[in-house]
Amino acid sequence: SAVISQKPSRDICQRGTSLTIQCQVDSQVTMMFWYRQQPGQSLTLIATANQGSEATYESGFVIDKFPISRPNLTFSTLTVSNMSPEDSSIYLCSVGGLAGSSYEQYFGPGTRLTVT
Amino acid sequence: AQKITQTQPGMFVQEKEAVTLDCTYDTSDPSYGLFWYKQPSSGEMIFLIYQGSYDQQNATEGRYSLNFQKARKSANLVISASQLGDSAMYFCAMREGTSGGSYIPTFGRGTSLIVHP
Repeated sequence: SAVISQKPSRDICQRGTSLTIQCQVDSQVTMMFWYRQQPGQSLTLIATANQGSEATYESGFVIDKFPISRPNLTFSTLTVSNMSPEDSSIYLCSVGGLAGSSYEQYFGPGTRLTVT
Repeated sequence: AQKITQTQPGMFVQEKEAVTLDCTYDTSDPSYGLFWYKQPSSGEMIFLIYQGSYDQQNATEGRYSLNFQKARKSANLVISASQLGDSAMYFCAMREGTSGGSYIPTFGRGTSLIVHP
Protein backbone atom coordinates (compact mmCIF):
# COMPACT_ATOMS: atom_id res chain seq x y z
CA SER A 1 0.00 0.00 0.00
CA ALA A 2 0.99 3.67 -0.04
CA VAL A 3 0.88 6.38 2.59
CA ILE A 4 -0.63 9.52 1.12
CA SER A 5 -0.77 12.88 2.86
CA GLN A 6 -2.65 15.98 1.82
CA LYS A 7 -2.28 19.56 2.93
CA PRO A 8 -4.31 21.34 4.08
CA SER A 9 -6.76 18.90 5.64
CA ARG A 10 -9.45 21.56 5.58
CA ASP A 11 -9.83 25.25 4.81
CA ILE A 12 -12.43 27.96 4.70
CA CYS A 13 -11.85 30.41 1.87
CA GLN A 14 -13.50 33.51 0.51
CA ARG A 15 -14.98 33.55 -2.95
CA GLY A 16 -12.68 34.83 -5.64
CA THR A 17 -9.54 33.50 -3.98
CA SER A 18 -7.48 30.43 -4.88
CA LEU A 19 -6.29 27.48 -2.83
CA THR A 20 -3.49 25.05 -3.62
CA ILE A 21 -3.75 21.52 -2.24
CA GLN A 22 -0.66 19.37 -1.94
CA CYS A 23 -0.47 15.60 -2.22
CA GLN A 24 2.61 13.68 -1.10
CA VAL A 25 3.13 9.92 -1.46
CA ASP A 26 5.72 7.90 0.42
CA SER A 27 6.76 5.93 -2.68
CA GLN A 28 6.99 6.47 -6.40
CA VAL A 29 3.72 5.84 -8.20
CA THR A 30 2.80 5.67 -11.83
CA MET A 31 -0.59 7.28 -11.61
CA MET A 32 -1.88 10.19 -9.59
CA PHE A 33 -5.40 11.52 -9.77
CA TRP A 34 -7.50 14.29 -8.33
CA TYR A 35 -11.13 13.76 -7.41
CA ARG A 36 -13.87 16.03 -6.17
CA GLN A 37 -16.67 14.92 -3.89
CA GLN A 38 -19.43 17.46 -3.49
CA PRO A 39 -21.58 17.25 -0.34
CA GLY A 40 -23.60 14.05 -0.26
CA GLN A 41 -22.35 12.98 -3.67
CA SER A 42 -20.07 10.36 -5.13
CA LEU A 43 -16.54 10.94 -6.38
CA THR A 44 -15.93 12.71 -9.67
CA LEU A 45 -12.57 12.54 -11.38
CA ILE A 46 -11.15 15.98 -12.11
CA ALA A 47 -7.94 14.99 -13.87
CA THR A 48 -5.00 12.64 -14.12
CA ALA A 49 -1.77 14.29 -13.04
CA ASN A 50 0.98 13.44 -15.49
CA GLN A 51 4.58 13.66 -14.43
CA GLY A 52 6.45 16.20 -16.49
CA SER A 53 3.55 17.16 -18.74
CA GLU A 54 0.14 18.77 -18.66
CA ALA A 55 -2.62 17.01 -16.74
CA THR A 56 -5.40 15.16 -18.55
CA TYR A 57 -8.73 16.72 -17.62
CA GLU A 58 -12.12 15.06 -17.60
CA SER A 59 -15.14 16.56 -19.29
CA GLY A 60 -16.38 19.58 -17.40
CA PHE A 61 -13.03 20.46 -15.83
CA VAL A 62 -10.54 22.91 -17.31
CA ILE A 63 -6.95 23.82 -16.61
CA ASP A 64 -7.69 27.48 -15.92
CA LYS A 65 -9.98 26.55 -13.06
CA PHE A 66 -8.03 23.54 -11.73
CA PRO A 67 -4.35 23.88 -12.61
CA ILE A 68 -2.38 20.79 -11.63
CA SER A 69 1.32 20.22 -11.25
CA ARG A 70 3.25 16.99 -10.92
CA PRO A 71 6.97 17.67 -10.80
CA ASN A 72 7.96 14.12 -9.81
CA LEU A 73 6.59 10.64 -9.09
CA THR A 74 5.70 11.33 -5.45
CA PHE A 75 4.15 14.80 -5.40
CA SER A 76 1.31 16.73 -7.02
CA THR A 77 -0.66 19.90 -6.42
CA LEU A 78 -4.18 20.93 -7.35
CA THR A 79 -5.19 24.57 -7.33
CA VAL A 80 -8.82 25.59 -7.12
CA SER A 81 -8.89 29.02 -8.74
CA ASN A 82 -11.30 31.92 -8.42
CA MET A 83 -13.40 29.96 -5.97
CA SER A 84 -17.15 30.16 -5.61
CA PRO A 85 -19.43 28.47 -3.04
CA GLU A 86 -20.10 25.73 -5.63
CA ASP A 87 -16.47 24.65 -5.21
CA SER A 88 -17.15 23.62 -1.61
CA SER A 89 -16.24 19.93 -1.66
CA ILE A 90 -13.83 17.33 -0.46
CA TYR A 91 -10.84 17.11 -2.80
CA LEU A 92 -9.10 13.76 -2.83
CA CYS A 93 -5.74 12.78 -4.19
CA SER A 94 -5.47 9.18 -5.37
CA VAL A 95 -2.63 6.98 -6.58
CA GLY A 96 -2.35 3.79 -8.56
CA GLY A 97 0.25 1.67 -10.26
CA LEU A 98 2.24 0.87 -7.17
CA ALA A 99 5.07 -1.57 -7.48
CA GLY A 100 3.75 -5.07 -6.84
CA SER A 101 0.14 -3.98 -7.13
CA SER A 102 -1.28 -3.76 -10.61
CA TYR A 103 -4.80 -2.80 -9.67
CA GLU A 104 -5.04 -1.22 -6.28
CA GLN A 105 -5.86 2.45 -6.00
CA TYR A 106 -5.41 4.37 -2.78
CA PHE A 107 -6.72 7.69 -1.59
CA GLY A 108 -5.36 10.44 0.55
CA PRO A 109 -7.28 11.70 3.58
CA GLY A 110 -8.89 14.49 1.56
CA THR A 111 -9.05 18.25 1.82
CA ARG A 112 -12.38 19.60 3.00
CA LEU A 113 -12.91 22.99 1.37
CA THR A 114 -15.63 25.46 2.28
CA VAL A 115 -16.04 28.60 0.20
CA THR A 116 -17.99 31.47 1.72
CA ALA B 1 -26.34 4.98 -18.64
CA GLN B 2 -24.80 4.58 -15.22
CA LYS B 3 -21.93 2.16 -15.12
CA ILE B 4 -22.21 1.48 -11.40
CA THR B 5 -25.55 1.32 -9.62
CA GLN B 6 -26.00 1.18 -5.89
CA THR B 7 -29.72 1.04 -5.23
CA GLN B 8 -29.61 1.29 -1.44
CA PRO B 9 -29.08 4.88 -0.31
CA GLY B 10 -29.16 3.76 3.32
CA MET B 11 -28.92 0.51 5.23
CA PHE B 12 -29.30 -0.34 8.91
CA VAL B 13 -27.92 -3.41 10.63
CA GLN B 14 -27.70 -4.69 14.18
CA GLU B 15 -24.24 -5.09 15.63
CA LYS B 16 -22.78 -8.58 15.08
CA GLU B 17 -25.15 -9.35 12.22
CA ALA B 18 -24.15 -9.69 8.58
CA VAL B 19 -25.17 -7.14 5.95
CA THR B 20 -25.09 -7.13 2.16
CA LEU B 21 -24.57 -3.94 0.17
CA ASP B 22 -25.72 -4.17 -3.43
CA CYS B 23 -23.81 -3.14 -6.51
CA THR B 24 -24.56 -3.79 -10.15
CA TYR B 25 -22.40 -2.72 -13.05
CA ASP B 26 -22.59 -2.26 -16.76
CA THR B 27 -19.72 -2.89 -19.14
CA SER B 28 -19.04 -4.56 -22.46
CA ASP B 29 -15.34 -4.85 -21.72
CA PRO B 30 -14.44 -8.48 -20.87
CA SER B 31 -11.60 -7.27 -18.67
CA TYR B 32 -12.54 -5.16 -15.66
CA GLY B 33 -12.05 -4.80 -11.96
CA LEU B 34 -14.50 -4.11 -9.18
CA PHE B 35 -13.67 -2.28 -5.97
CA TRP B 36 -15.32 -1.44 -2.70
CA TYR B 37 -14.30 1.52 -0.60
CA LYS B 38 -15.38 2.68 2.84
CA GLN B 39 -15.67 6.37 3.64
CA PRO B 40 -16.13 7.24 7.33
CA SER B 41 -17.34 10.66 8.38
CA SER B 42 -13.72 11.83 8.44
CA GLY B 43 -13.78 11.78 4.64
CA GLU B 44 -10.92 9.44 3.82
CA MET B 45 -11.51 6.67 1.29
CA ILE B 46 -10.41 3.27 2.57
CA PHE B 47 -9.83 0.47 0.07
CA LEU B 48 -11.62 -2.70 1.20
CA ILE B 49 -11.64 -5.34 -1.49
CA TYR B 50 -11.03 -6.01 -5.17
CA GLN B 51 -12.45 -8.53 -7.65
CA GLY B 52 -11.06 -9.01 -11.14
CA SER B 53 -13.38 -10.12 -13.92
CA TYR B 54 -11.30 -13.22 -14.58
CA ASP B 55 -10.94 -14.23 -10.96
CA GLN B 56 -12.45 -17.65 -10.42
CA GLN B 57 -13.18 -17.25 -6.76
CA ASN B 58 -14.97 -14.55 -4.83
CA ALA B 59 -12.62 -12.13 -3.12
CA THR B 60 -12.42 -12.11 0.66
CA GLU B 61 -10.59 -9.81 3.07
CA GLY B 62 -11.21 -10.55 6.70
CA ARG B 63 -14.85 -9.74 7.47
CA TYR B 64 -15.42 -8.48 3.92
CA SER B 65 -16.35 -10.70 1.03
CA LEU B 66 -17.48 -9.88 -2.46
CA ASN B 67 -20.36 -11.88 -3.88
CA PHE B 68 -19.42 -11.75 -7.55
CA GLN B 69 -22.12 -12.91 -9.97
CA LYS B 70 -20.72 -12.25 -13.39
CA ALA B 71 -23.76 -13.25 -15.43
CA ARG B 72 -25.93 -10.91 -13.38
CA LYS B 73 -23.24 -8.21 -13.40
CA SER B 74 -23.44 -7.83 -9.67
CA ALA B 75 -20.70 -7.41 -7.09
CA ASN B 76 -22.32 -7.21 -3.70
CA LEU B 77 -20.26 -6.54 -0.58
CA VAL B 78 -20.95 -8.75 2.40
CA ILE B 79 -19.82 -7.60 5.82
CA SER B 80 -19.98 -10.33 8.42
CA ALA B 81 -20.32 -9.69 12.15
CA SER B 82 -20.94 -5.95 11.82
CA GLN B 83 -19.20 -3.61 14.22
CA LEU B 84 -20.10 -0.10 15.28
CA GLY B 85 -17.01 1.13 13.46
CA ASP B 86 -18.44 -0.16 10.19
CA SER B 87 -20.87 2.77 10.13
CA ALA B 88 -19.81 4.73 7.04
CA MET B 89 -20.53 5.37 3.37
CA TYR B 90 -19.63 2.48 1.10
CA PHE B 91 -18.79 3.01 -2.55
CA CYS B 92 -18.65 0.42 -5.29
CA ALA B 93 -16.37 1.22 -8.22
CA MET B 94 -15.40 -0.36 -11.52
CA ARG B 95 -12.35 0.01 -13.67
CA GLU B 96 -12.57 -1.23 -17.24
CA GLY B 97 -9.68 -2.66 -19.21
CA THR B 98 -7.55 -3.91 -16.35
CA SER B 99 -4.91 -5.26 -18.69
CA GLY B 100 -3.09 -2.35 -20.19
CA GLY B 101 -3.11 -0.01 -17.28
CA SER B 102 -6.14 2.24 -17.14
CA TYR B 103 -6.42 2.93 -13.45
CA ILE B 104 -9.42 5.22 -13.47
CA PRO B 105 -12.47 3.70 -11.81
CA THR B 106 -16.04 4.92 -12.01
CA PHE B 107 -17.81 5.21 -8.67
CA GLY B 108 -21.38 4.49 -7.65
CA ARG B 109 -23.44 6.92 -5.60
CA GLY B 110 -22.73 5.08 -2.37
CA THR B 111 -24.68 3.39 0.40
CA SER B 112 -24.79 4.76 3.91
CA LEU B 113 -24.51 1.97 6.47
CA ILE B 114 -25.48 2.50 10.08
CA VAL B 115 -24.71 -0.19 12.62
CA HIS B 116 -26.94 -0.17 15.70
CA PRO B 117 -25.71 -1.47 19.06
